[in-house]
Amino acid sequence: GDSVTQMEGPVTLSEEAFLTINCTYTATGYPSLFWYVQYPGEGLQLLLKATKADDKGSNKGFEATYRKETTSFHLEKGSVQVSDSAVYFCALGSNMYSGGGADGLTFGKGTHLIIQP
Amino acid sequence: DTEVTQTPKHLVMGMTNKKSLKCEQHMGHRAMYWYKQKAKKPPELMFVYSYEKLSINESVPSRFSPECPNSSLLNLHLHALQPEDSALYLCASSQPTSGGRETQYFGPGTRLLVL
Repeated sequence: GDSVTQMEGPVTLSEEAFLTINCTYTATGYPSLFWYVQYPGEGLQLLLKATKADDKGSNKGFEATYRKETTSFHLEKGSVQVSDSAVYFCALGSNMYSGGGADGLTFGKGTHLIIQP
Repeated sequence: DTEVTQTPKHLVMGMTNKKSLKCEQHMGHRAMYWYKQKAKKPPELMFVYSYEKLSINESVPSRFSPECPNSSLLNLHLHALQPEDSALYLCASSQPTSGGRETQYFGPGTRLLVL
């Protein structure tokens, strides 16, 4: 079945450092890939997405490129801020059921990011 | 607007109580989802409604009963829960496509504590 593997952390960085959170996936077919962010006590917010190979998703200074050859979707940001401290989930969406239609997302375990001033 | 709303924000209930969680979206999405999230874990899929019909039930105990009264509303009825059911319950919605790879938008969640 489909699966997502991401570094769990916690990842602790200083403000203005470069961030990479690795995410690799296993899936049949051509899934869509997502990064969601969860701030303490809140729900999940969509950070960025990519729907096909070589697509680059970007938002709020974060970027991730859909790499089919390495089955990866690593999250990067050039200069992190204290306000980026949160849990980041890599997820994939694929049609696991015949006939199409809505399906649940497959999530990685989440990466807790801590940014120190 | 990509807003999904959930009420209540917090809920404390005893094991003999009956309560309901409510989710609403006005984005015209025709797929809605319930997920359960335990502390420091990723969300786990519970139910999927597609065009107001239950399409996926991930072997959830019958003490959880979903309902989709219309395309904008999703309820989760709770009865005789156990303390281990304490968690954050997340609702999400999306516009279903033939590939099932559509973007899901999440609500803020209901934090449930079962005593």
